[in-house]
Amino acid sequence: GQQLNQSPQSMFIQEGEDVSMNCTSSSIFNTWLWYKQDPGEGPVLLIALYKAGELTSNGRLTAQFGITRKDSFLNISASIPSDVGIYFCAGWASSNTGKLIFGQGTTLQVKP
Amino acid sequence: DGGITQSPKYLFRKEGQNVTLSCEQNLNHDAMYWYRQDPGQGLRLIYYSQIVNDFQKGDIAEGYSVSREKKESFPLTVTSAQKNPTAFYLCASRGISYEQYFGPGTRLTVT
Repeated sequence: GQQLNQSPQSMFIQEGEDVSMNCTSSSIFNTWLWYKQDPGEGPVLLIALYKAGELTSNGRLTAQFGITRKDSFLNISASIPSDVGIYFCAGWASSNTGKLIFGQGTTLQVKP
Repeated sequence: DGGITQSPKYLFRKEGQNVTLSCEQNLNHDAMYWYRQDPGQGLRLIYYSQIVNDFQKGDIAEGYSVSREKKESFPLTVTSAQKNPTAFYLCASRGISYEQYFGPGTRLTVT
């Protein structure tokens, strides 16, 4: 099935550093979602984006809906050890097949 | 307390047996989904249902079956025809918004 291109695949950073990850697609998307998954748990919705150019924050997390509607970015500021996990982007394509399209995930490790 | 429940958290079965994974939601969501996740992998869609008494195959439906007799419930049966059933299974639901929420998952081990 269709997938989003999410990068980087993994990151190993020092506590306190800022983190950036992004998702790109060849298709136009109407909605972008960002999730975090802890080991052995279900993904938790962090941020939802609905309009091109939209910038939304949730605590230390900030996400943006790309102006072309083909990409989205997630930034984490001042990382802490509990930020460790897998971050997934997901989106509803304008074709609206009824299926949410996912990126492959970014694994984040934070060194205290 | 609203949300999605999956039970059990861990499930063990012998090869050749069918097994049914439970998914219940009290969010009044119309759409429900089943995903499979393998170690170090992303999420792959097995089946989804946008309304009661209707469901569609996802990307990897072979060896699985579902039913949607009630809005709140979307059980997944892993049949003996599924060649590699050991995985982490995630159920999700979506209401009228585009926000999709996940349950806590069931880890199935088949030996």
